[in-house]
Amino acid sequence: ILNVEQSPQSLHVQEGDSTNFTCSFPSSNFYALHWYRWETAKSPEALFVMTLNGDEKKKGRISATLNTKEGYSYLYIKGSQPEDSATYLCADIYNQGGKLIFGQGTELSVKP
Amino acid sequence: EPEVTQTPSHQVTQMGQEVILRCVPISNHLYFYWYRQILGQKVEFLVSFYNNEISEKSEIFDDQFSVERPDGSNFTLKIRSTKLEDSAMYFCASLGLGRRNEQFFGPGTRLTVL
Repeated sequence: ILNVEQSPQSLHVQEGDSTNFTCSFPSSNFYALHWYRWETAKSPEALFVMTLNGDEKKKGRISATLNTKEGYSYLYIKGSQPEDSATYLCADIYNQGGKLIFGQGTELSVKP
Repeated sequence: EPEVTQTPSHQVTQMGQEVILRCVPISNHLYFYWYRQILGQKVEFLVSFYNNEISEKSEIFDDQFSVERPDGSNFTLKIRSTKLEDSAMYFCASLGLGRRNEQFFGPGTRLTVL
């Protein structure tokens, strides 16, 4: 894998459903992986910075896992709420202070 | 909570005109970035700035682009002669030391080139 890729591109779920998205990234020269949440007209908001293989991080109903050997990360949302509707971006980074390389994002829509 | 701010939120300009996009990063941050997202495409890196100089730039960041940190607080992106394909959302971000590489983003400036 040469690029950061996310799937699916969009997801429509009902309130209360649990959902997950995938981020694939180059497994060589791994340094860190970021997850951002971006609502329209707002600043992208950092959710997690993942650095260690096997890492699992949690913030409320949202959690993320990391597999650096195979080059993927999953983001899970348990019991989706309408306010979870946003675009979720993952981004790879190769060094301290370096540039973020983004995937195309997963657009989540949660219907009441 | 400190935040990154950007002005204007929306800029409309004619092709060939110069534009300056402004950002105020978080005050004690040391690394500064510009990214952009053309509609329907990935967010892409333009340039990073550290210690008063460009530390890295992408292929997109050609001679038409420049960055400045004129007064220790603002961080600007100038496009000298805009093209239609420069239409995009431009994001500024900043990073402080000891923040696990968590870049803080501004809300973006939507640039429309007619």
